[in-house]
Amino acid sequence: AQSVTQLDSHVSVSEGTPVLLRCNYSSSYSPSLFWYVQHPNKGLQLLLKYTSAATLVKGINGFEAEFKKSETSFHLTKPSAHMSDAAEYFCVVSKTQTGANNLFFGTGTRLTVIP
Amino acid sequence: EPEVTQTPSHQVTQMGQEVILRCVPISNHLYFYWYRQILGQKVEFLVSFYNNEISEKSEIFDDQFSVERPDGSNFTLKIRSTKLEDSAMYFCASSPRTSGSTDTQYFGPGTRLTVL
Repeated sequence: AQSVTQLDSHVSVSEGTPVLLRCNYSSSYSPSLFWYVQHPNKGLQLLLKYTSAATLVKGINGFEAEFKKSETSFHLTKPSAHMSDAAEYFCVVSKTQTGANNLFFGTGTRLTVIP
Repeated sequence: EPEVTQTPSHQVTQMGQEVILRCVPISNHLYFYWYRQILGQKVEFLVSFYNNEISEKSEIFDDQFSVERPDGSNFTLKIRSTKLEDSAMYFCASSPRTSGSTDTQYFGPGTRLTVL
């Protein structure tokens, strides 16, 4: 069975400081993993995805995530937070690695950026 | 950049009434999905749709729910007799079905359904 656990429901950082949003996954298969972001009144936007190529995945807006199989983790990082990064972030695992399949979402982490 | 759109953004209905939530997927996409998020809970998969039929559905997607692609552009979710517990944000998504790699699902902004 697939599942993800987002360890923090809320993270608060100062503008210009690093961001770390934590995610652990559980999967019966070699997983595909995603991070989605949701800004207020907007749809879920894909930040990045891991599909068994490079373990360090770079996404949009300066975000990246590292797949660590030994730790079953897929934490999202950014070196320097910007005010526009304030949003809800979802770690997501896919049922299988290829084709189109349903996604399993974490509970989300709300990122607040303090000026 | 093409995007998934959903209407209405907010729907209020009385318990027992039928509602239809509408989605326009990205035009060259072949897989379509509905998810929902009850306030304070996880986003949950409801159903996936491909080649004019349901390809997979979750336990949530019971006989009260149905999906349809009535024309070449719209994808709808119908709830026949709404219950209070159907109150949630409903997200539509579509994906292009890229062979040999993991498909990326593109989400709409959601429809907030409130059942009174």
